Amino acid sequence: GENVEQHPSTLSVQEGDSAVIKCTYSDSASNYFPWYKQELGKRPQLIIDIRSNVGEKKDQRIAVTLNKTAKHFSLHITETQPEDSAVYFCASRYGNKLVFGAGTILRVKS
Amino acid sequence: DSGVTQTPKHLITATGQRVTLRCSPRSGDLSVYWYQQSLDQGLQFLIHYYNGEERAKGNILERFSAQQFPDLHSELNLSSLELGDSALYFCASSVASLVDRNEQFFGPGTRLTVL
Repeated sequence: GENVEQHPSTLSVQEGDSAVIKCTYSDSASNYFPWYKQELGKRPQLIIDIRSNVGEKKDQRIAVTLNKTAKHFSLHITETQPEDSAVYFCASRYGNKLVFGAGTILRVKS
Repeated sequence: DSGVTQTPKHLITATGQRVTLRCSPRSGDLSVYWYQQSLDQGLQFLIHYYNGEERAKGNILERFSAQQFPDLHSELNLSSLELGDSALYFCASSVASLVDRNEQFFGPGTRLTVL
């Protein structure tokens, strides 16, 4: 089926610590795995994406890793800051649509 | 500001009624996607239009329909509304027809409350 499981549902970290969010996808997902950040009351915004021909991609404090064998991909945020507090959604491409995970509420405590 | 506009921002209506949500994509974008975001179901893909043609359908109810007009704006029509239709409805736009070719830019959303 077309399914994306995302864990954890909530995550609290101390400012400066790292945060990791993991998503798993089913067989029929293809080559594109984006991550979106949604601040409270605002629209989702793409923060990083990865395609299945690479294993890792970094953009400053954010990185995404992809394990095709295990069918999971993870978002890593290092040196977390209070402005990282938001809901993060992973997604996988199934056919020509994106299926989103249920979201992770990240709270960065200062 | 993503460049995608949605109207209205808020809509309050009663069960059984019909509403129309409107979306204008970014200048130059040909694709429009509609999503429903509710507390218990997360972000659910509804439907995708590219240059006036339907390209993909998600779990869109039969009571819901959409279209994209020649000027590329799109409308989502929701009829026979039920309490469970209360949600935030987002549209997003992108340049290409394939979801992995370009970033989807989301609009600010329309909050629908069905009483």
